[in-house]
Amino acid sequence: GAGVSQSPSNKVTEKGKDVELRCDPISGHTALYWYRQSLGQGLEFLIYFQGNSAPDKSGLPSDRFSAERTGGSVSTLTIQRTQQEDSAVYLCASSLRSGSGNQPQHFGDGTRLSIL
Amino acid sequence: GIQVEQSPPDLILQEGANSTLRCNFSDSVNNLQWFHQNPWGQLINLFYIPSGTKQNGRLSATTVATERYSLLYISSSQTTDSGVYFCAAHGSSNTGKLIFGQGTTLQVKP
Repeated sequence: GAGVSQSPSNKVTEKGKDVELRCDPISGHTALYWYRQSLGQGLEFLIYFQGNSAPDKSGLPSDRFSAERTGGSVSTLTIQRTQQEDSAVYLCASSLRSGSGNQPQHFGDGTRLSIL
Repeated sequence: GIQVEQSPPDLILQEGANSTLRCNFSDSVNNLQWFHQNPWGQLINLFYIPSGTKQNGRLSATTVATERYSLLYISSSQTTDSGVYFCAAHGSSNTGKLIFGQGTTLQVKP
């Protein structure tokens, strides 16, 4: 597609359930990023994939969070045993490459996650 | 790591007015971007501007990398300019991730 595609756009689930969020980056973009935006806050980095290199997981808030990027394209962010503080908008971005971080990142519309 | 600070945190303008938003960053940058988050939550790329000056219609941006700041100018503001403006930077010492400022919330009144 023309832009970064995320699904679902909204997700409501009960505390303790697992959720999977999907990101389909712009075709040809080798770098993929996940960010989180809590209500009224700025964006917080979660994880970054660049080609076949080991991902930078330094922003993941706990071991309940994990992400995969299969085939160098689509990525899934998984949150296990969800907690109410996980409620946020999860945004995915992609860029052409990021060896030196000098390519602009393009964002999807996000997944709004609500934990009841 | 790099820190990004934006000012002012909030701004109210009358339609037609001009404004300047500021972004300070604590270290040298490889990437600096300005975004507009509209009321529907969509994050729109405005400028990719690690240095220099760019213009796009009523908007322009200038980054002075040696002095570690960037400015976003909005001229002849319109109600559709309302929303949150974020500055985000990637420092030379960290991998790919963007560090975001806390944003400037702009309200343009008719």
